[in-house]
Amino acid sequence: AQSVTQPDIHITVSEGASLELRCNYSYGATPYLFWYVQSPGQGLQLLLKYFSGDTLVQGIKGFEAEFKRSQSSFNLRKPSVHWSDAAEYFCAVGPPASGGYQKVTFGTGTKLQVIP
Amino acid sequence: DTAVSQTPKYLVTQMGNDKSIKCEQNLGHDTMYWYKQDSKKFLKIMFSYNNKELIINETVPNRFSPKSPDKAHLNLHINSLELGDSAVYFCASSPLDSQNYGYTFGSGTRLTVV
Repeated sequence: AQSVTQPDIHITVSEGASLELRCNYSYGATPYLFWYVQSPGQGLQLLLKYFSGDTLVQGIKGFEAEFKRSQSSFNLRKPSVHWSDAAEYFCAVGPPASGGYQKVTFGTGTKLQVIP
Repeated sequence: DTAVSQTPKYLVTQMGNDKSIKCEQNLGHDTMYWYKQDSKKFLKIMFSYNNKELIINETVPNRFSPKSPDKAHLNLHINSLELGDSAVYFCASSPLDSQNYGYTFGSGTRLTVV
C-alpha cells in the first residue's frame, strides 16, 4: 500500500531564509508525487507535481521539489521564504494513472511558521 | 468563476440529523472526490466518482452516501449525524488524462455536530 511520511509536524523559519520540507514515500514503483499548500480556512492548492523525467520540478510561488528514487524522498524547497508562505504543506503520493482514476494518499502535513 | 465550489461553507447541526453538502466543478474534469480532514489535519479519501460512476468507496459508514447526478456535480448526504462526523469535508476534481492530473480542491465545508 502506498504511504507518505512528513517527519516534521511544525517548522519555523525566518523571513528571507531558505526552506526545506521533508517527504518520504512508500510505493512499489515510481509513483506520482505532489505537494499541496493549505492556507488557514482554505482548500488545498497544488504547488507542483512529479510524474517522470527531470527529477527537479518547479512549481508555483517559487517552490521546487526534487525526486530522489534512492531515498524515496520528494522534498520541497524554497530559497527565500516570504511571510505569506506561512501555511500547512502536504505531500501526497498516487499510483501512475492509466487513463483512469487516481487514489492519492496525503501525508499528515507540516505547518510552516514564518517569523519576521 | 470558482473552479470547485462547495456549499455550505459551514454547517452546524445536532446529532441524529441528516444533512447534505453540495459540490460543483466547472473545469470539465471527469473525476470527483470527497475527502475528510480531521482535527489533526489528516486527509482521508472517502469516495470517488468517474463520470457519474462510483469507483472508490473507502471504509466509510453507510450513513454517508454520495450522489453524482452528472459529471460536474458530486453531493454528499449524511444520515443520523454523530459527534465523530465533525470535520472539514473537501470536494476535489481531477482530469482523466495522466499528464494533467492533480486535484483541484474546493474550499471545504466545516461540519460541526453538537
